[in-house]
Amino acid sequence: EVQLVESGGTLVQPGGSLRLSCATSGFTFNTYSMTWARQAPGKGLEFVSYIHSSSSPIFYGDSVKGRFTVFRDNSKNSLYLQMNSLTAEDTGIYYCARNSAGSDWFHYWGQGTLVIVSS
Amino acid sequence: QAVVTQEPSLTVSPGGTVTLTCGSSTGPVTSSHYPYWFQQKPGQAPRTLIYDTNNKHSWTPARFSGSLLGGKGILTLSGAQPDDEADYYCLLSFSGARFVFGPGTKVTVL
Repeated sequence: EVQLVESGGTLVQPGGSLRLSCATSGFTFNTYSMTWARQAPGKGLEFVSYIHSSSSPIFYGDSVKGRFTVFRDNSKNSLYLQMNSLTAEDTGIYYCARNSAGSDWFHYWGQGTLVIVSS
Repeated sequence: QAVVTQEPSLTVSPGGTVTLTCGSSTGPVTSSHYPYWFQQKPGQAPRTLIYDTNNKHSWTPARFSGSLLGGKGILTLSGAQPDDEADYYCLLSFSGARFVFGPGTKVTVL
């Protein structure tokens, strides 16, 4: 059974940094690309980042480019999102998702981890 | 940046049919945008119903279908059930590796 478990969400002050993790199991992690998406409270979904199985290429949404870094540790079957220079607009639930072959993205979703940026 | 449009809300009668659309500010939506459709119920993570215009997952109920029509991506729900009440989001892929979600459509079965 495919499982994606996000963690690391917490309350952080504006301007601060946070690293989210996505622990995976039930599939061969190093053969799948992964994606991060987020959702502000009561709002819609937003694409955050994509990373290929080999860690290249990597894509970012415009609102996080230059502040967020996605990376993966295939030896630990884990995906990460390093978030710097956080603002209130970064508040929300962060989901990791496993893609599948070709254009089959967001095949499986995790349950998300909540990030709150507030003083 | 491209803006993706969706109806804010739609209501369908049980057993009825409803059509959700997904438009783009840059022009007609085509298969090159690889339209996706996601369903999200309150307090739950999204789940993907349709990818690449019209491809279903094993968990996608047969009453959901995806297509293109009139320059928009289309999600059709035929034979709506109370369990289909949810928010539905589309996602389009744009050149330059840009991926934009629509604002979502709240579907009420009433």
